[in-house]
Amino acid sequence: DAGVTQSPTHLIKTRGQQVTLRCSPKSGHDTVSWYQQALGQGPQFIFQYYEEEERQRGNFPDRFSGHQFPNYSSELNVNALLLGDSALYLCASSWGTLEADTQYFGPGTRLTVL
Amino acid sequence: AQSVTQLDSHVSVSEGTPVLLRCNYSSSYSPSLFWYVQHPNKGLQLLLKYTSAATLVKGINGFEAEFKKSETSFHLTKPSAHMSDAAEYFCVVSEWIGTASKLTFGTGTRLQVTL
Repeated sequence: DAGVTQSPTHLIKTRGQQVTLRCSPKSGHDTVSWYQQALGQGPQFIFQYYEEEERQRGNFPDRFSGHQFPNYSSELNVNALLLGDSALYLCASSWGTLEADTQYFGPGTRLTVL
Repeated sequence: AQSVTQLDSHVSVSEGTPVLLRCNYSSSYSPSLFWYVQHPNKGLQLLLKYTSAATLVKGINGFEAEFKKSETSFHLTKPSAHMSDAAEYFCVVSEWIGTASKLTFGTGTRLQVTL
């Protein structure tokens, strides 16, 4: 049973560029959440997708956007990158509504903005 | 809003001795609480989840946590530490916003296990 997968593993970008991160949920899961983990801190909620719609959003600017596809996979897009966007980006998947809070995490994508 | 406070940023134990990682929560209603572990350069692994079915929750790798409403605590314990337990541990509370669930993480406790 494949767990949550994310790509790429590492990414280096320069300020002002745009980046797309990808996530495939655990088999049987239909909900995807994205988190940002800055160095030495706990993860911060970015947003959650269900049925191809953004269901809830954390305190992140509109430069952060996402998408969920019919096969439940998801993308996180960040525009106009800032140095402060350097972080580990984690994708988590869960099932349905009642169990949406039991989230399983992928290994993350480490983004470095120079 | 829900929140959790991890009382120790760093805990060091000897291999074979008990582990205690402390967490207090703040919630306006009966919360769902979790412990996750993160090994270096890895993603987060779910250790256990509390959902009010039982106050003592058993998780993977010999860890367990006890929910104490009177103390608003959810401490993580393990009877005997192993070298492989060295990692960052996060106490987490979930908050329902409509039909979406947002996880709020504590600041983490780094567990060091020495010989």
